[in-house]
Amino acid sequence: KQEVTQIPAALSVPEGENLVLNCSFTDSAIYNLQWFRQDPGKGLTSLLLIQSSQREQTSGRLNASLDKSSGRSTLYIAASQPGDSATYLCACGAGGTSYGKLTFGQGTILTVHP
Amino acid sequence: SQTIHQWPATLVQPVGSPLSLECTVEGTSNPNLYWYRQAAGRGLQLLFYSVGIGQISSEVPQNLSASRPQDRQFILSSKKLLLSDSGFYLCAWVRNTEAFFGQGTRLTVV
Repeated sequence: KQEVTQIPAALSVPEGENLVLNCSFTDSAIYNLQWFRQDPGKGLTSLLLIQSSQREQTSGRLNASLDKSSGRSTLYIAASQPGDSATYLCACGAGGTSYGKLTFGQGTILTVHP
Repeated sequence: SQTIHQWPATLVQPVGSPLSLECTVEGTSNPNLYWYRQAAGRGLQLLFYSVGIGQISSEVPQNLSASRPQDRQFILSSKKLLLSDSGFYLCAWVRNTEAFFGQGTRLTVV
């Protein structure tokens, strides 16, 4: 059974800092890995999707890496802004007959203060 | 463009009352649809998924059921709510291996 862990559980940084959020998973046989952002009381917004054959994906100030062999992914946020404050979730996607099923970590609550 | 709608946004229901949450997807056909629950202090948990009309798979035993009466409609139901059914319910669909979520329904059972 896949288990996903995110570290740290919470992070508070001053505006402008570069930061790294960590995600680890126990079963390396993932189909893909997806990073989401969740604002309080809202749904999930997809940030980046990394296929199992890829090593990283970039979108603007965000960069996500994937190392299947070690069961790790990181989300790098450059030049953080107060608007980046949210909960960040990583999720491992399954393939085959379990296609589309996601196993989530508990999330990292990020606060960027001015 | 494809969009996903959920309603209602919030719901307060007494214990023992029925439940019906609806999710619809626009701009696509034959999507894979999923219901997740986010309970306080716990991560998101997959409850049900559907690969087509009338096809429902349950991931965890519980007091809830799901149905897919139309291609782009996914319904989450209960005949009698329990306090433990409280949580944030999210509908999702997958396009080109990427998952997209609705805005969720906050259910409080009192």
